[in-house]
Amino acid sequence: KAGVTQTPRYLIKTRGQQVTLSCSPISGHRSVSWYQQTPGQGLQFLFEYFSETQRNKGNFPGRFSGRQFSNSRSEMNVSTLELGDSALYLCASSLVQGMNTEAFFGQGTRLTVV
Amino acid sequence: AQKVTQAQTEISVVEKEDVTLDCVYETRDTTYYLFWYKQPPSGELVFLIRRNSFDEQNEISGRYSWNFQKSTSSFNFTITASQVVDSAVYFCALSEDRDDKIIFGKGTRLHILP
Repeated sequence: KAGVTQTPRYLIKTRGQQVTLSCSPISGHRSVSWYQQTPGQGLQFLFEYFSETQRNKGNFPGRFSGRQFSNSRSEMNVSTLELGDSALYLCASSLVQGMNTEAFFGQGTRLTVV
Repeated sequence: AQKVTQAQTEISVVEKEDVTLDCVYETRDTTYYLFWYKQPPSGELVFLIRRNSFDEQNEISGRYSWNFQKSTSSFNFTITASQVVDSAVYFCALSEDRDDKIIFGKGTRLHILP
């Protein structure tokens, strides 16, 4: 059974640009959540999607958005990139909705903003 | 407000030694869930354990064991007879039932020296 797949693995963008990251969950999983990991702030929850609807959101500005498709694949978009957006972005999938369940993580997309 | 504290930023032990990773949490909710995840150098978080607030039984899984004590708001993780493959960053996390968000500790980087 394939795990959670995130693409691309590495990305370099310039300040002011926008970026889209992709996450394919484990087959059969309908919940996808996104996290940002930085050395300073640690691991922070961004949002969760279930059945194509955002169910939960962390404390991030509106520049961070996402969506989920009917096949449960999810994309995360960051607009008007700032240097501080440089981070490892992790995606996780779960069978059911909610943050209190076991989650399976991908290897992440490492975004560098220059 | 919920909070997770992993006071040990980095620990180094020699292979075959036992090591305990500390986790202290704060919550006002009576129903909550605690987790431990392992993050190897490859980046993905690997689920280790989930415990709900009503289950204070300690758990053992092979060389891993967890001690949950509500009286001290702690959920500590012990690795017995450590191995080099245990080297990773370990995260403790808390999810409250009422707002269904998850918060991670800053992580403990564990080095197992051969």
